Amino acid sequence: DTAVSQTPKYLVTQMGNDKSIKCEQNLGHDTMYWYKQDSKKFLKIMFSYNNKELIINETVPNRFSPKSPDKAHLNLHINSLELGDSAVYFCASSNEARWEKLFFGSGTQLSVL
Amino acid sequence: GIQVEQSPPDLILQEGANSTLRCNFSDSVNNLQWFHQNPWGQLINLFYIPSGTKQNGRLSATTVATERYSLLYISSSQTTDSGVYFCAVVPGSGNTGKLIFGQGTTLQVKP
Repeated sequence: DTAVSQTPKYLVTQMGNDKSIKCEQNLGHDTMYWYKQDSKKFLKIMFSYNNKELIINETVPNRFSPKSPDKAHLNLHINSLELGDSAVYFCASSNEARWEKLFFGSGTQLSVL
Repeated sequence: GIQVEQSPPDLILQEGANSTLRCNFSDSVNNLQWFHQNPWGQLINLFYIPSGTKQNGRLSATTVATERYSLLYISSSQTTDSGVYFCAVVPGSGNTGKLIFGQGTTLQVKP
């Protein structure tokens, strides 16, 4: 009964490859997010979707493409992976109408070799 | 843009001690949350507290929005409290949902 689940937990891949991270929430929230945490633990928002519509798109390389098939799912696809993409990626969700708490998934540690 | 500064950056406590973590922000906010990232990397939401005081067990938080700071109190600390504590805010004029995080306070509680 995990609230926000993302897979995989670990992702090790070579430079130049394409990879995807999947996220699902069962909280009934209408807004989902992708955050990136760098090696210094700094957390920064990348994208936000509200009811499948992109509402926040930070300055992120266009190699990163989020996709939301429905409001319970938000996937992140990364093309042509680079060494600098290595980080922990967190999915999160909230309720826009009653915007209070943000709930995070367990994170995906991406290592690009 | 808004600046979020947390202090201290690092804190070492003996089990049973109390501590106060501080979060200063440079502009008005309409949302403030505290998170705990445990040593396994999981981010747990502790409080949603844009103003006022809340308590949850040994933890409590106070936000004084007019003076642009928030405090997180940990009483009778336990080793399981170790990890990184983040303060995050949504600027008053900003997009709903765009939480801006501070750099965190790393807490180590020794047995």
